[in-house]
Amino acid sequence: GAGVSQSPRYKVAKRGQDVALRCDPISGHVSLFWYQQALGQGPEFLTYFQNEAQLDKSGLPSDRFFAERPEGSVSTLKIQRTQQEDSAVYLCASSTPDIYGYTFGSGTRLTVV
Amino acid sequence: GENVEQHPSTLSVQEGDSAVIKCTYSDSASNYFPWYKQELGKRPQLIIDIRSNVGEKKDQRIAVTLNKTAKHFSLHITETQPEDSAVYFCAAGPGGGYNKLIFGAGTRLAVHP
Repeated sequence: GAGVSQSPRYKVAKRGQDVALRCDPISGHVSLFWYQQALGQGPEFLTYFQNEAQLDKSGLPSDRFFAERPEGSVSTLKIQRTQQEDSAVYLCASSTPDIYGYTFGSGTRLTVV
Repeated sequence: GENVEQHPSTLSVQEGDSAVIKCTYSDSASNYFPWYKQELGKRPQLIIDIRSNVGEKKDQRIAVTLNKTAKHFSLHITETQPEDSAVYFCAAGPGGGYNKLIFGAGTRLAVHP
């Protein structure tokens, strides 16, 4: 595709509910990154993939957070038993080794009530 | 791991003045330093970047300088315009499209007509 696509754009979840956030990277981009951006803060690294391999998941805040990219293209970030502190914008970005810099998606704004 | 600090957190200037935003980083392995602009409710967009083999890079009204010895880099915007109003983020990382970036907390720039 022409850009990084994320869905849904907005998600309201009741506390304790599970959610799944989708990222469709730019076609051919082998690297995919997930970031969490709280209101008024910079993006915080969560995890990244090179193709289907998850190379770094050191930023995932707890074992309630899980990410996958089974075929090396679309990725899903799953949050189980959501809590209010999970409320944030979740940004996905993609890149490829022969270029520098990311292309970000528009993000998914998650609100846990 | 890498830690990036960004100052100031807010910056207010008159149209036509210059604006300078400064960042410091901790990991000497970092060699790629991009700057992103984020308008309200939108995705971060790459505006300029610099690699550690150069000390300065300029693109029209924006420039970035890098001091690897002191581990700091700066964004300079000259002849500011109201449309420059946004949040600016610096980032640092080991470079390439397959490595994670660590972001600063952001600077909210307001340009007043």
